Amino acid sequence: GESVGLHLPTLSVQEGDNSIINCAYSNSASDYFIWYKQESGKGPQFIIDIRSNMDKRQGQRVTVLLNKTVKHLSLQIAATQPGDSAVYFCAEFLGNQFYFGTGTSLTVIP
Amino acid sequence: KAGVTQTPRYLIKTRGQQVTLSCSPISGHRSVSWYQQTPGQGLQFLFEYFSETQRNKGNFPGRFSGRQFSNSRSEMNVSTLELGDSALYLCASSLSGVWTEAFFGQGTRLTVV
Repeated sequence: GESVGLHLPTLSVQEGDNSIINCAYSNSASDYFIWYKQESGKGPQFIIDIRSNMDKRQGQRVTVLLNKTVKHLSLQIAATQPGDSAVYFCAEFLGNQFYFGTGTSLTVIP
Repeated sequence: KAGVTQTPRYLIKTRGQQVTLSCSPISGHRSVSWYQQTPGQGLQFLFEYFSETQRNKGNFPGRFSGRQFSNSRSEMNVSTLELGDSALYLCASSLSGVWTEAFFGQGTRLTVV
């Protein structure tokens, strides 16, 4: 299957700081990417998406950057809050399905 | 409106048994997708149903099957359970399979002993 990996399995940040979560994907033909947030005991929740014809997309406090040259995706969370503590994982769409990374656990320190 | 409902929330089965999991999508949603989530493999796509037809299928053995009813509720069945089938099984529903509008349920935690 496709390989979607995350550079760091855990990340701790101080409340109010910015967070950056990274993701590497393996197939240059992937044309659509999503970031999900999964809180403990809950299902994944859509955060933001980006198509391969873009290199940046902004949402509310979140920004996704896509570097197709090195097949790298990142999620930036501005002014991280305690409620942002969760597992974040990226997904790439290739063919007829999504391939997901295993996730990065973000802990926000008050 | 009510979210995606999966039942049961927890399940313990013995190797060799079979299991059926249920997913009730958000009212009006016609697409239901199933996923297996494990710590080592992350989230893996099982299959997607739309209007009672399997539209896409992931790379899982034939022991994993599903169906969708006319009211869009979906069931997933795993036969001849193996220890490695222990996982969180998630379903997601959307109006038409558009991923920006997909909502996940809380999942069914299956433990095979």
